[in-house]
Amino acid sequence: NAGVTQTPKFRILKIGQSMTLQCAQDMNHNYMYWYRQDPGMGLKLIYYSVGAGITDKGEVPNGYNVSRSTTEDFPLRLELAAPSQTSVYFCASSGGAGSGELFFGEGSRLTVL
Amino acid sequence: GENVEQHPSTLSVQEGDSAVIKCTYSDSASNYFPWYKQELGKGPQLIIDIRSNVGEKKDQRIAVTLNKTAKHFSLHITETQPEDSAVYFCAARGVGNEKLTFGTGTRLTIIP
Repeated sequence: NAGVTQTPKFRILKIGQSMTLQCAQDMNHNYMYWYRQDPGMGLKLIYYSVGAGITDKGEVPNGYNVSRSTTEDFPLRLELAAPSQTSVYFCASSGGAGSGELFFGEGSRLTVL
Repeated sequence: GENVEQHPSTLSVQEGDSAVIKCTYSDSASNYFPWYKQELGKGPQLIIDIRSNVGEKKDQRIAVTLNKTAKHFSLHITETQPEDSAVYFCAARGVGNEKLTFGTGTRLTIIP
C-alpha cells in the first residue's frame, strides 16, 4: 500500500517557468490537500478538494492552480514561478472531515532561482 | 478564520526527561485537535489527537490535554528517547470544516 505519492521529490526552476507537482493516493480518500512548508512558518494550505471535480482555495492560493479529475490524483500547477514559491510542498489525503487523520506524502522540494 | 499559536519553537531536553509543547487556538467552535510528528525528510504523521468532549488522552508515553475554556491544548512526552527528536505540529479544526489549521511547529531535540 503506497499511501500518498508525490513526484518529483526535488526540482529547480528558473523564474517564469511553469511546472506541475504530481500527487496520487491509493486509499480511495475523497479529501485531498496541498500544503507548503516554509522554515518557522508551519504548514500553510494552498488548495484542497473534497471530491473529484471539486476544488477550493486555502490560505495561500495565489500563483497556483489545481484540478481533481479523478479521486486518486490531485496535481498542483505552478504558473510563472517566482522565488517566493521556493518551499517544500506536501500533498495529503483524508477519508473525510469526520475521520480526522491526514496522510501526507514525503514532500517535494522546489527551488526557484 | 482559525489561528493556532505554538510554543516553544525549539526545545531541548535530556533523554529520560519530559517534554511539553503548548498551543492556543482562537476559534471557540474548533472541536478537533491533532498532533503531528515530522521526522527529517518525511511528511508529518499523526501521533495523537483529541476531541473537545474529553479533557485528556494518553497513548503510552504521549498524552494530550485540552482546556476548552482557555482555548489551549498541550502535548506531553514522558521518558523521552532519542527517536522522539523531530518537529511537532499542533493543529485545530472546527465542526464541519474540511481544513486543519496548523501551528508553526516545535523542533524537539533529545540530548543523549
